[in-house]
Amino acid sequence: EPEVTQTPSHQVTQMGQEVILRCVPISNHLYFYWYRQILGQKVEFLVSFYNNEISEKSEIFDDQFSVERPDGSNFTLKIRSTKLEDSAMYFCASRQWEAKQFFGPGTRLTVL
Amino acid sequence: KNEVEQSPQNLTAQEGEFITINCSYSVGISALHWLQQHPGGGIVSLFMLSSGKKKHGRLIATINIQEKHSSLHITASHPRDSAVYICAPPSGNTPLVFGKGTRLSVIA
Repeated sequence: EPEVTQTPSHQVTQMGQEVILRCVPISNHLYFYWYRQILGQKVEFLVSFYNNEISEKSEIFDDQFSVERPDGSNFTLKIRSTKLEDSAMYFCASRQWEAKQFFGPGTRLTVL
Repeated sequence: KNEVEQSPQNLTAQEGEFITINCSYSVGISALHWLQQHPGGGIVSLFMLSSGKKKHGRLIATINIQEKHSSLHITASHPRDSAVYICAPPSGNTPLVFGKGTRLSVIA
């Protein structure tokens, strides 16, 4: 069965560094999402992406965040200057039209 | 903003029991997701439903759009069903709005 993949599974970085989290959505999916989950808290929506542009973003998704679909298969989340509070599990998800979302296994980001 | 309430917040059941988790939301929607988050953190989308009932194996989800209420049932529960179950309506352009979910523990 097709699945969403994410790399790396765990990323450790120093505060102020840039990180790029990578996702490969399911190939025929059209909508792409990033969510995050701070340890012990609920999952929060960050951004959705459709037709090569951001379709919606949350208050969390400020100027430090950006997303890209550089080559038609990868979907990346960049954090320009990481802060301690960016430490979380980041989930990528994708879906087709009017269908349920499929989630990747997540990337655990630890900012020191 | 759609407010989501799930009950119970925590549930412990004996293996084999029939389990019901309820979800109420404040804003009318066209569809709702039920998701399962495993102890290891992975998220699985169980159902997306917009009316009536859906069944997959031992899992059954129902929704009443008019009453803004949905339920997830697990028949013949098993320890491997232990997880956090989350109902999530779409919001805006269908990103999911997650609640805290219901933490289910099934004891053998």
